[in-house]
Amino acid sequence: DQQVKQNSPSLSVQEGRISILNCDYTNSMFDYFLWYKKYPAEGPTFLISISSIKDKNEDGRFTVFLNKSAKHLSLHIVPSQPGDSAVYFCAASSSQGGSEKLVFGKGTKLTVNP
Amino acid sequence: DAGVIQSPRHEVTEMGQEVTLRCKPISGHNSLFWYRQTMMRGLELLIYFNNNVPIDDSGMPEDRFSAKMPNASFSTLKIQPSEPRDSAVYFCASSKQFTQYFGPGTRLTVL
Repeated sequence: DQQVKQNSPSLSVQEGRISILNCDYTNSMFDYFLWYKKYPAEGPTFLISISSIKDKNEDGRFTVFLNKSAKHLSLHIVPSQPGDSAVYFCAASSSQGGSEKLVFGKGTKLTVNP
Repeated sequence: DAGVIQSPRHEVTEMGQEVTLRCKPISGHNSLFWYRQTMMRGLELLIYFNNNVPIDDSGMPEDRFSAKMPNASFSTLKIQPSEPRDSAVYFCASSKQFTQYFGPGTRLTVL
């Protein structure tokens, strides 16, 4: 049973446009969400996170939106750049019980075309 | 800051051999995680340690896999005996709170 789902395996956008990556979760106990970016032959790199007490967090070109009622989060990249081409993973965790486990989605491959 | 260090970066071995993967977490981080990434299953958590103590090993596939963390700056993941289906990229990550930072991974190929 996949608790974190990224339903789009790939996404292609034009340089300068907005990239929107989506993620859905099923476990209502999740209260902390993260996005990671992964280039080939490298480990995932932390990008941005959001706590369930917020509905938006912004860091430069990257903004994460959280809709708790829909159990949905999204990552917006504006403007998109060719260097943003990578696989993006959504991850979620629950602070209940003090566990630090992250549950990852299977990733969305973003291609930004010049 | 050096980041999470993993060695070796690549390992090719024959079925039945013992494989040991190594990880040095970021200094000051008190949690360490071992993951396996495959095309079919994505990124799976194998085991995680907090303050050098194994907290959750429910992701360890079978008894052929074992992990140790003898001190705060070193951990190993051992596979004995290795099988072709163990071929994957193995990542180590460390964290101080909930944000995990990953190493570059070890690509394991078992022939």
